[in-house]
Amino acid sequence: DTEVTQTPKHLVMGMTNKKSLKCEQHMGHRAMYWYKQKAKKPPELMFVYSYEKLSINESVPSRFSPECPNSSLLNLHLHALQPEDSALYLCASSQGSYNEQFFGPGTRLTVL
Amino acid sequence: DQQVKQNSPSLSVQEGRISILNCDYTNSMFDYFLWYKKYPAEGPTFLISISSIKDKNEDGRFTVFLNKSAKHLSLHIVPSQPGDSAVYFCAASGGGATNKLIFGTGTLLAVQP
Repeated sequence: DTEVTQTPKHLVMGMTNKKSLKCEQHMGHRAMYWYKQKAKKPPELMFVYSYEKLSINESVPSRFSPECPNSSLLNLHLHALQPEDSALYLCASSQGSYNEQFFGPGTRLTVL
Repeated sequence: DQQVKQNSPSLSVQEGRISILNCDYTNSMFDYFLWYKKYPAEGPTFLISISSIKDKNEDGRFTVFLNKSAKHLSLHIVPSQPGDSAVYFCAASGGGATNKLIFGTGTLLAVQP
């Protein structure tokens, strides 16, 4: 299995809702990542988990809360988002340092 | 401060010819470079990478060249095919325990039949 899966594919939520994005990989990778991509912009790193521990938080607002329940799963909990948070949220994984990151298909999030 | 730049937002090439995509970086601590291809509403797909100890890496139709003194890398695709039409991102990393990637702004490649 050489893919990263993400659910849901699309998500529409109101500013008062609580929702979660899910990411899964079964490649035995020890690092997992969340990126945010706005239209016509490059992906921007949000969080890095290494060996199930949060190692980088790129000053992301607390309305985004990551969780790594085990080495194969990565969640992103969303609460009280703003319309400007609407974007494509990408999950990636890698074996470790100096290794390519494999990306999932993304979740297209719309905040109303 | 954009540490990784792709100065050509778009490129159009005839099928069968060579496509050359360019990327410049400013941070001399970067030591690992990657190219990704992205279709709309999909995640980036890894194409090829190069570490700073090399100046060339080849994989099939794709070759990446690295000029460390100029802080410049390029991706050559030959021969170009219509299915290569996509946005291409270069990315750079300083390695270490966290493998943080910094992406360039992307170049939209259109391969004309």
